[in-house]
Amino acid sequence: SQTIHQWPATLVQPVGSPLSLECTVEGTSNPNLYWYRQAAGRGLQLLFYSVGIGQISSEVPQNLSASRPQDRQFILSSKKLLLSDSGFYLCAWREDGKQYFGPGTRLTVT
Amino acid sequence: AQSVTQPDIHITVSEGASLELRCNYSYGATPYLFWYVQSPGQGLQLLLKYFSGDTLVQGIKGFEAEFKRSQSSFNLRKPSVHWSDAAEYFCAVGAQGSQGNLIFGKGTKLSVKP
Repeated sequence: SQTIHQWPATLVQPVGSPLSLECTVEGTSNPNLYWYRQAAGRGLQLLFYSVGIGQISSEVPQNLSASRPQDRQFILSSKKLLLSDSGFYLCAWREDGKQYFGPGTRLTVT
Repeated sequence: AQSVTQPDIHITVSEGASLELRCNYSYGATPYLFWYVQSPGQGLQLLLKYFSGDTLVQGIKGFEAEFKRSQSSFNLRKPSVHWSDAAEYFCAVGAQGSQGNLIFGKGTKLSVKP
């Protein structure tokens, strides 16, 4: 069966520091992958999606970037974090029209 | 523009009472519709989906939802709520396509009174 992993589970970083969040999927090949951010009271905001290795689409301009170096690996990065980057980051993959979510990473920028 | 509205930010129901969470969408074509549930600090779990066919769909944990095209609604229901149903619920709309991007509502937080 397919599983999706995210790490770290929680992260506290100072403003201006770099960021790297990782998402990996097991049990499937060439999945569509997604990064969402969830801020309190604002629902889920799609940040990036990828339909294949090296193919990244950005939904909103921001301080973040994404990469897909391997088929089942999706990385969210930033060179310099802002306070506004705090939130709950969720990775998801898609199968048969449905999206399945990972456990998330809670990022607090101080 | 495509959008999803969940009018109720927070709902409180008594354990054993019935539940209905509202969802309205704005979409140019026949949408794919979803309900997800999120427990605190956790990821989202898919409860049910509507792609086509029967407009009343059954999901996990005893939930069901009805697609009403004329009202652009996809309300979630459960006949008898359990304390473990306390969570946040998200409605989402999407389209068939290679990207399969979803648009989410802002969520409804459900509290259950004993």
